[in-house]
Amino acid sequence: GQQLNQSPQSMFIQEGEDVSMNCTSSSIFNTWLWYKQDPGEGPVLLIALYKAGELTSNGRLTAQFGITRKDSFLNISASIPSDVGIYFCAGRPGFGNEKLTFGTGTRLTIIP
Amino acid sequence: SAVISQKPSRDICQRGTSLTIQCQVDSQVTMMFWYRQQPGQSLTLIATANQGSEATYESGFVIDKFPISRPNLTFSTLTVSNMSPEDSSIYLCSVSGGQQARELFFGEGSRLTVL
Repeated sequence: GQQLNQSPQSMFIQEGEDVSMNCTSSSIFNTWLWYKQDPGEGPVLLIALYKAGELTSNGRLTAQFGITRKDSFLNISASIPSDVGIYFCAGRPGFGNEKLTFGTGTRLTIIP
Repeated sequence: SAVISQKPSRDICQRGTSLTIQCQVDSQVTMMFWYRQQPGQSLTLIATANQGSEATYESGFVIDKFPISRPNLTFSTLTVSNMSPEDSSIYLCSVSGGQQARELFFGEGSRLTVL
């Protein structure tokens, strides 16, 4: 079946640093979603992408829908302590609301 | 986005027992989805709950183990039956929304620990 490979698995950064993570698929996806999950909580949708090449921002977060439609990227600028958590990408091949495939997650830790 | 409430938020259960998780949405939705997140893992879809019909289960999940009810357009339950320690997970309810219903929104999750 479809797989989403997310990297890196974990990141240890200092407050104020920029963060980049990505998600790659073995097949074409037509919707990409990025989520953040805090400990003990459900995932919260950060950014949704619908078109190849699309670049969308949400505050300090920017996500891009890769031009090949097989990858997506999430950047966080000037990280702050509340950015700590696990970030998941998710995608689906179609244009409807069929099943989402989730990435393996990137755990972000900020070193004091 | 819809407000999704789950109960219980967490529970500790004994092996062999069953637990029912409730999911309440503040608006009517056609489909509700149940996910499992095992410790340190990503999210796996268990089943899609449709109002007025039987739930559709993903490969590896069966109705006897995870019976689902969907009595109306704002409510669903997931039961984890005959639990074993391997069932210790976060169980998440979700609904579609946003642009062309292509986004997925989650409840806060129900963390089950089976002893």
